[in-house]
Amino acid sequence: GQQVMQIPQYQHVQEGEDFTTYCNSSTTLSNIQWYKQRPGGHPVFLIQLVKSGEVKKQKRLTFQFGEAKKNSSLHITATQTTDVGTYFCVTDSWGKLQFGAGTQVVVTP
Amino acid sequence: EADIYQTPRYLVIGTGKKITLECSQTMGHDKMYWYQQDPGMELHLIHYSYGVNSTEKGDLSSESTVSRIRTEHFPLTLESARPSHTSQYLCASSAGFGDIHENEQFFGPGTRLTVL
Repeated sequence: GQQVMQIPQYQHVQEGEDFTTYCNSSTTLSNIQWYKQRPGGHPVFLIQLVKSGEVKKQKRLTFQFGEAKKNSSLHITATQTTDVGTYFCVTDSWGKLQFGAGTQVVVTP
Repeated sequence: EADIYQTPRYLVIGTGKKITLECSQTMGHDKMYWYQQDPGMELHLIHYSYGVNSTEKGDLSSESTVSRIRTEHFPLTLESARPSHTSQYLCASSAGFGDIHENEQFFGPGTRLTVL
């Protein structure tokens, strides 16, 4: 079945630095979503990517869908303490959403 | 603001008890989901529903059961709670097939269950 790998599992970032988290699939995806879960909170939808090579931006966050629609990335510039949390990519398998293991982000002031 | 509610928020219960975790949404969403998540870990789908009278098991085997008698309500029941059931249970909903937002899940605040 479809497998989704997220790397890295943990990311320690100095405030002000940039970082990227990746999501890789063994199969071609119809679409991919990204969610953020703050410590002690519940996942919150960030964005959905559908088209090959699609790039979407939300302020300091840049989301990209690979040309082959098998991978995706989330790049955050000028990290702030509010970026702390776990970022999940979510893939669609026959209408059933599958969460990746997540990248847990810790920001050092 | 998403309108999806879960009760109770916290539950501590003894082994062998029957419990029902409640989940309700007021958005008219067709799809609803139950996830299990241990602290700092990934979410595991345990049940989902595409509409009234539709329920399916998810990827993670679970001893719980669900029902979907009304669109807005998707309760999860454990007939006999055990310490291994200690976890956080998250309910979510999303629009139905064909809706442009069908993959956007709205999550409830979760129920933290502890079985002694």
